[in-house]
Amino acid sequence: DGGITQSPKYLFRKEGQNVTLSCEQNLNHDAMYWYRQDPGQGLRLIYYSQIVNDFQKGDIAEGYSVSREKKESFPLTVTSAQKNPTAFYLCASNSDRTNTEAFFGQGTRLTVV
Amino acid sequence: AQKVTQAQTEISVVEKEDVTLDCVYETRDTTYYLFWYKQPPSGELVFLIRRNSFDEQNEISGRYSWNFQKSTSSFNFTITASQVVDSAVYFCALSEARGAQKLVFGQGTRLTINP
Repeated sequence: DGGITQSPKYLFRKEGQNVTLSCEQNLNHDAMYWYRQDPGQGLRLIYYSQIVNDFQKGDIAEGYSVSREKKESFPLTVTSAQKNPTAFYLCASNSDRTNTEAFFGQGTRLTVV
Repeated sequence: AQKVTQAQTEISVVEKEDVTLDCVYETRDTTYYLFWYKQPPSGELVFLIRRNSFDEQNEISGRYSWNFQKSTSSFNFTITASQVVDSAVYFCALSEARGAQKLVFGQGTRLTINP
């Protein structure tokens, strides 16, 4: 079945460590996005990519990094520079060409211990 | 800058009642998209509807209906004859009509339908 797969579902990180969240899609979508969700708040855009080997900062990119080496994959690294990384992270994708709505993965819940 | 406001943080109703979720937005763009997404306890966002700013026709899909009023910058969502399965967090969102679909979300409304 086509869709977006995020892994792992739950992730624990010690302070000072970098951690990478995986996002893979088999929908043949050009554009991929990372959002962060905090309790009682809406989702906020971290990074997005419209094409392989290119990506743009969103509203809250500080302390995060991404790569887009393959069309299907858009991993997000939460670095030690991110002051408050505990949150729910959602990956999304859509087709720029056919301008579909964004489809979301099931999310990764990251907790700093 | 774009902004979406969902003033209702939580709503609780009894099953079979009708319920309306409010959404007010701000944008300087003349063309844009408005969305509603549902977030069940599993966490993923489920797409419900997308509306182009040029299309102010109301839409009905089963028990769901949406009222788009450009004059008041509102895009409200009504569930008729609510069911327990409608319990979720609902998000209203806005994006530019061109380029990447960068969504600006409201804070969400947690809807609880009690049996």
